Amino acid sequence: DTEVTQTPKHLVMGMTNKKSLKCEQHMGHRAMYWYKQKAKKPPELMFVYSYEKLSINESVPSRFSPECPNSSLLNLHLHALQPEDSALYLCASSQEGGLAGLTFQETQYFGPGTRLLVL
Amino acid sequence: AQSVTQPDIHITVSEGASLELRCNYSYGATPYLFWYVQSPGQGLQLLLKYFSGDTLVQGIKGFEAEFKRSQSSFNLRKPSVHWSDAAEYFCAVGAMDSSYKLIFGSGTRLLVRP
Repeated sequence: DTEVTQTPKHLVMGMTNKKSLKCEQHMGHRAMYWYKQKAKKPPELMFVYSYEKLSINESVPSRFSPECPNSSLLNLHLHALQPEDSALYLCASSQEGGLAGLTFQETQYFGPGTRLLVL
Repeated sequence: AQSVTQPDIHITVSEGASLELRCNYSYGATPYLFWYVQSPGQGLQLLLKYFSGDTLVQGIKGFEAEFKRSQSSFNLRKPSVHWSDAAEYFCAVGAMDSSYKLIFGSGTRLLVRP
């Protein structure tokens, strides 16, 4: 099973709202990722969690707050977003996050994404 | 610095025709290379990957890719395209920073003529 699930599928929020995106995997992976993807662009890495610790933050504004409650779950808390934050938010997971070196297991599997619209 | 280049923004082929999507990478060590496909509004699906060994790798949906170290290329091919192959295709290289990360190319949109 190589499934990563994301909820909700779609989200519309105002600039003063607080919302959360959720991601879940049951593959036993210890690395999880958040990406932002604008239309007709490749995914841009936002955050990486490896063994439930934040290992990469790609200079993302503080209105995005990631959380990894356990090895299967990854949340992205949203607060005071701007209209330009409207995008597809993708979650991914991989085996180790590179802690064991780059191995055959280090393949990222992606969820279907959450389409976010900020009004 | 690591980078991935997909020189073709759009490619249009007729259904049943062969397909080749180009990918060139820049990476100092042995690259770990991937092709992903994305249908509109969907997540990314892994088509195939190369880590080592045989330089011709087979993937899902009849796709294959060939790693050519001398040309720093990892081109994706399919002998006969189906209308359902119309999508965005991303080439990516796996790299180590403070953690493992993927570096994506800008993507190639495939259009299929009936």
